Amino acid sequence: DGGITQSPKYLFRKEGQNVTLSCEQNLNHDAMYWYRQDPGQGLRLIYYSQIVNDFQKGDIAEGYSVSREKKESFPLTVTSAQKNPTAFYLCASGVGFGNTIYFGEGSWLTVV
Amino acid sequence: GIQVEQSPPDLILQEGANSTLRCNFSDSVNNLQWFHQNPWGQLINLFYIPSGTKQNGRLSATTVATERYSLLYISSSQTTDSGVYFCAVGPGTGTYKYIFGTGTRLKVLA
Repeated sequence: DGGITQSPKYLFRKEGQNVTLSCEQNLNHDAMYWYRQDPGQGLRLIYYSQIVNDFQKGDIAEGYSVSREKKESFPLTVTSAQKNPTAFYLCASGVGFGNTIYFGEGSWLTVV
Repeated sequence: GIQVEQSPPDLILQEGANSTLRCNFSDSVNNLQWFHQNPWGQLINLFYIPSGTKQNGRLSATTVATERYSLLYISSSQTTDSGVYFCAVGPGTGTYKYIFGTGTRLKVLA
């Protein structure tokens, strides 16, 4: 099936540990995105990538890192520098400029 | 950066009622989408509508780009329409960036 796959769906980590969230798409989309959503809040852009080997910071990039070595993959690392990492993380992809973006099912990260 | 405000923030309807959700944005945009986030967190595409009017069943949307707003109409609401509605805008040429609005939380009562 075509789509966007995020894993894991639920993740628990101890404070101070780095965590990597996976996002894979088989839609042949150029653009990929990571958003963070806190309970009862909207979506805030962390990073986005318009093409392989290139990515740009969003509005809340501090404490996060990404890579885009393959067109289909855009992993997000939540580092120990992120002060409040507990949140719902959503990955999206799109064909590119002037087109719809589509979302994966999200990953719930809890840091204790 | 561009600001995206949605109104009302919360809305409670009786099943069968109609509603209008509004999205205002502070600068010109080249992309605009409406999403529905269901209670399980999944974001579902409703419309890609940078300008003009579209309809899909009981839902329709209108964007007036020159006046920097978009409207989402829900007619004959059902309990399954409950959730949060977001608009997202792409600010301009040369970037694929999408910024989300503040959301409207809708609850439809049986």
